[in-house]
Amino acid sequence: EPEVTQTPSHQVTQMGQEVILRCVPISNHLYFYWYRQILGQKVEFLVSFYNNEISEKSEIFDDQFSVERPDGSNFTLKIRSTKLEDSAMYFCASSFGQSNSGNTIYFGEGSWLTVV
Amino acid sequence: SQQGEEDPQALSIQEGENATMNCSYKTSINNLQWYRQNSGRGLVHLILIRSNEREKHSGRLRVTLDTSKKSSSLLITASRAADTASYFCATPRTGANNLFFGTGTRLTVIP
Repeated sequence: EPEVTQTPSHQVTQMGQEVILRCVPISNHLYFYWYRQILGQKVEFLVSFYNNEISEKSEIFDDQFSVERPDGSNFTLKIRSTKLEDSAMYFCASSFGQSNSGNTIYFGEGSWLTVV
Repeated sequence: SQQGEEDPQALSIQEGENATMNCSYKTSINNLQWYRQNSGRGLVHLILIRSNEREKHSGRLRVTLDTSKKSSSLLITASRAADTASYFCATPRTGANNLFFGTGTRLTVIP
Protein backbone atom coordinates (compact mmCIF):
# COMPACT_ATOMS: atom_id res chain seq x y z
CA GLU A 1 0.00 0.00 0.00
CA PRO A 2 1.39 3.43 -0.92
CA GLU A 3 2.52 5.50 2.02
CA VAL A 4 3.82 8.90 2.96
CA THR A 5 7.46 8.73 3.97
CA GLN A 6 9.30 11.25 6.11
CA THR A 7 12.92 11.92 6.95
CA PRO A 8 14.55 12.27 9.36
CA SER A 9 12.63 10.29 11.93
CA HIS A 10 14.30 12.27 14.69
CA GLN A 11 16.41 15.42 14.68
CA VAL A 12 18.01 17.32 17.52
CA THR A 13 18.99 20.89 16.75
CA GLN A 14 20.35 23.91 18.55
CA MET A 15 18.01 26.84 19.10
CA GLY A 16 18.35 29.32 16.27
CA GLN A 17 19.43 26.74 13.71
CA GLU A 18 17.58 26.05 10.49
CA VAL A 19 15.86 22.73 10.07
CA ILE A 20 14.48 21.08 6.95
CA LEU A 21 12.06 18.19 7.28
CA ARG A 22 11.49 16.11 4.19
CA CYS A 23 8.53 14.15 2.94
CA VAL A 24 7.62 12.05 -0.06
CA PRO A 25 3.83 12.13 -0.43
CA ILE A 26 1.85 9.38 -2.09
CA SER A 27 2.63 9.62 -5.78
CA ASN A 28 -0.74 10.42 -7.34
CA HIS A 29 -1.85 12.78 -4.59
CA LEU A 30 -2.40 16.43 -5.33
CA TYR A 31 -2.76 18.00 -1.87
CA PHE A 32 0.02 18.11 0.68
CA TYR A 33 0.03 19.11 4.31
CA TRP A 34 2.14 19.60 7.39
CA TYR A 35 0.73 19.10 10.86
CA ARG A 36 2.47 19.07 14.20
CA GLN A 37 1.86 17.52 17.59
CA ILE A 38 3.55 18.88 20.66
CA LEU A 39 4.11 16.10 23.17
CA GLY A 40 0.87 15.22 24.90
CA GLN A 41 -1.18 17.71 22.93
CA LYS A 42 -3.52 17.73 19.95
CA VAL A 43 -2.50 17.33 16.36
CA GLU A 44 -2.49 20.84 14.85
CA PHE A 45 -2.70 21.93 11.24
CA LEU A 46 0.17 24.03 9.91
CA VAL A 47 -0.17 24.38 6.16
CA SER A 48 -1.66 22.88 3.02
CA PHE A 49 -0.16 23.03 -0.45
CA TYR A 50 -1.77 22.55 -3.82
CA ASN A 51 -0.78 23.34 -7.37
CA ASN A 52 2.66 24.49 -6.23
CA GLU A 53 1.47 27.06 -3.78
CA ILE A 54 0.25 27.36 -0.24
CA SER A 55 -3.52 27.06 -0.18
CA GLU A 56 -4.11 27.47 3.55
CA LYS A 57 -2.06 28.08 6.63
CA SER A 58 -2.71 28.36 10.33
CA GLU A 59 -1.59 31.07 12.70
CA ILE A 60 1.21 28.75 13.82
CA PHE A 61 2.74 28.91 10.33
CA ASP A 62 4.48 32.25 10.68
CA ASP A 63 7.37 33.75 8.74
CA GLN A 64 9.79 31.29 10.31
CA PHE A 65 8.16 28.47 8.39
CA SER A 66 8.21 27.75 4.68
CA VAL A 67 7.29 24.85 2.44
CA GLU A 68 8.52 23.80 -0.93
CA ARG A 69 7.97 21.09 -3.49
CA PRO A 70 11.27 21.37 -5.30
CA ASP A 71 11.18 18.45 -7.69
CA GLY A 72 7.67 17.07 -8.08
CA SER A 73 8.14 14.30 -5.54
CA ASN A 74 9.57 15.78 -2.34
CA PHE A 75 7.70 18.16 -0.08
CA THR A 76 9.73 19.99 2.54
CA LEU A 77 9.09 22.05 5.64
CA LYS A 78 11.77 24.53 6.62
CA ILE A 79 11.99 26.24 9.98
CA ARG A 80 14.40 29.12 9.60
CA SER A 81 15.43 29.81 13.17
CA THR A 82 14.21 27.18 15.56
CA LYS A 83 12.84 27.99 18.99
CA LEU A 84 12.45 25.71 21.99
CA GLU A 85 8.68 25.71 21.47
CA ASP A 86 9.13 24.27 17.98
CA SER A 87 9.96 20.94 19.61
CA ALA A 88 7.24 18.59 18.39
CA MET A 89 6.41 15.71 16.11
CA TYR A 90 5.88 17.03 12.59
CA PHE A 91 3.61 15.04 10.32
CA CYS A 92 3.51 15.26 6.57
CA ALA A 93 0.30 14.19 4.91
CA SER A 94 -1.23 13.97 1.47
CA SER A 95 -4.57 13.40 -0.20
CA PHE A 96 -5.85 12.98 -3.71
CA GLY A 97 -8.67 15.44 -3.22
CA GLN A 98 -9.91 17.79 -0.57
CA SER A 99 -10.85 16.44 2.85
CA ASN A 100 -14.06 18.44 2.85
CA SER A 101 -15.05 16.53 -0.28
CA GLY A 102 -14.67 13.21 1.48
CA ASN A 103 -11.07 12.40 0.61
CA THR A 104 -8.88 10.62 3.12
CA ILE A 105 -5.76 12.37 4.32
CA TYR A 106 -2.86 9.95 4.74
CA PHE A 107 -0.15 10.73 7.25
CA GLY A 108 3.49 9.80 7.49
CA GLU A 109 5.24 8.38 10.53
CA GLY A 110 6.38 11.81 11.60
CA SER A 111 9.66 13.56 12.30
CA TRP A 112 10.50 14.21 15.93
CA LEU A 113 12.15 17.61 16.26
CA THR A 114 13.90 18.41 19.52
CA VAL A 115 15.25 21.95 19.91
CA VAL A 116 17.81 22.36 22.67
CA SER B 1 -14.27 25.98 17.69
CA GLN B 2 -14.97 23.14 15.31
CA GLN B 3 -12.74 20.68 17.03
CA GLY B 4 -13.87 17.22 17.90
CA GLU B 5 -13.63 16.09 21.45
CA GLU B 6 -13.28 12.44 22.32
CA ASP B 7 -14.73 10.78 25.32
CA PRO B 8 -13.47 9.15 27.44
CA GLN B 9 -9.96 10.56 27.58
CA ALA B 10 -8.66 7.17 28.67
CA LEU B 11 -10.11 3.68 28.58
CA SER B 12 -8.68 0.48 29.95
CA ILE B 13 -10.24 -2.89 29.09
CA GLN B 14 -9.41 -6.57 29.09
CA GLU B 15 -8.47 -8.32 25.89
CA GLY B 16 -11.56 -9.67 24.18
CA GLU B 17 -13.85 -6.93 25.45
CA ASN B 18 -15.34 -4.26 23.23
CA ALA B 19 -14.15 -0.68 23.37
CA THR B 20 -16.35 2.29 22.56
CA MET B 21 -15.02 5.77 22.03
CA ASN B 22 -17.13 8.82 21.34
CA CYS B 23 -16.48 12.03 19.49
CA SER B 24 -18.48 15.24 19.54
CA TYR B 25 -18.06 18.19 17.23
CA LYS B 26 -19.60 21.60 16.94
CA THR B 27 -20.27 22.56 13.33
CA SER B 28 -21.84 20.89 10.31
CA ILE B 29 -19.57 18.46 8.53
CA ASN B 30 -19.71 16.37 5.38
CA ASN B 31 -17.48 13.63 6.73
CA LEU B 32 -15.63 12.50 9.82
CA GLN B 33 -12.44 10.47 9.96
CA TRP B 34 -11.02 8.27 12.70
CA TYR B 35 -7.29 7.76 13.16
CA ARG B 36 -5.15 5.60 15.42
CA GLN B 37 -1.79 6.62 16.81
CA ASN B 38 0.54 4.20 18.54
CA SER B 39 2.74 5.91 21.08
CA GLY B 40 5.28 8.12 19.36
CA ARG B 41 4.23 6.95 15.93
CA GLY B 42 2.32 8.29 12.96
CA LEU B 43 -1.41 8.65 12.41
CA VAL B 44 -3.01 5.64 10.78
CA HIS B 45 -6.28 6.25 8.99
CA LEU B 46 -8.98 3.86 10.14
CA ILE B 47 -12.24 4.86 8.55
CA LEU B 48 -14.06 7.78 6.94
CA ILE B 49 -17.81 8.15 7.35
CA ARG B 50 -19.78 10.62 5.27
CA SER B 51 -22.58 12.76 6.58
CA ASN B 52 -25.18 10.76 4.66
CA GLU B 53 -24.02 7.53 6.30
CA ARG B 54 -25.18 6.41 9.72
CA GLU B 55 -22.93 3.43 10.21
CA LYS B 56 -19.86 1.94 8.62
CA HIS B 57 -17.88 -1.23 9.27
CA SER B 58 -14.30 -2.19 8.62
CA GLY B 59 -13.18 -5.49 10.09
CA ARG B 60 -13.55 -5.25 13.87
CA LEU B 61 -14.31 -1.53 13.65
CA ARG B 62 -17.78 -0.07 13.62
CA VAL B 63 -18.31 3.67 13.30
CA THR B 64 -21.59 5.48 13.72
CA LEU B 65 -22.43 9.08 12.92
CA ASP B 66 -25.36 11.05 14.27
CA THR B 67 -25.36 14.44 12.56
CA SER B 68 -28.35 15.64 14.56
CA LYS B 69 -26.37 15.18 17.77
CA LYS B 70 -23.06 16.09 16.14
CA SER B 71 -21.47 12.96 17.47
CA SER B 72 -19.72 9.84 16.29
CA SER B 73 -18.65 6.64 17.98
CA LEU B 74 -15.94 4.13 17.24
CA LEU B 75 -16.49 0.58 18.45
CA ILE B 76 -13.66 -1.93 18.43
CA THR B 77 -14.97 -5.44 18.96
CA ALA B 78 -13.03 -8.33 20.47
CA SER B 79 -10.13 -6.07 21.39
CA ARG B 80 -6.53 -7.22 21.26
CA ALA B 81 -3.44 -5.99 23.06
CA ALA B 82 -2.26 -4.61 19.71
CA ASP B 83 -5.22 -2.24 19.71
CA THR B 84 -3.56 -0.29 22.51
CA ALA B 85 -3.16 3.21 21.07
CA SER B 86 -4.69 6.67 21.02
CA TYR B 87 -7.72 7.14 18.82
CA PHE B 88 -8.66 10.47 17.30
CA CYS B 89 -11.61 11.77 15.40
CA ALA B 90 -10.98 14.46 12.82
CA THR B 91 -13.39 16.70 10.99
CA PRO B 92 -12.81 18.87 7.93
CA ARG B 93 -12.75 22.53 8.73
CA THR B 94 -15.69 24.36 7.19
CA GLY B 95 -14.72 25.92 3.89
CA ALA B 96 -11.16 24.73 4.17
CA ASN B 97 -9.11 21.71 3.27
CA ASN B 98 -7.63 20.63 6.53
CA LEU B 99 -8.67 18.54 9.50
CA PHE B 100 -9.39 19.46 13.07
CA PHE B 101 -8.33 16.75 15.46
CA GLY B 102 -9.85 16.00 18.82
CA THR B 103 -7.95 15.39 22.01
CA GLY B 104 -8.04 11.63 21.56
CA THR B 105 -8.95 8.61 23.64
CA ARG B 106 -6.05 6.60 25.00
CA LEU B 107 -7.07 2.95 24.86
CA THR B 108 -5.19 0.32 26.84
CA VAL B 109 -6.05 -3.31 26.21
CA ILE B 110 -4.77 -5.56 28.96
CA PRO B 111 -3.72 -9.05 27.82
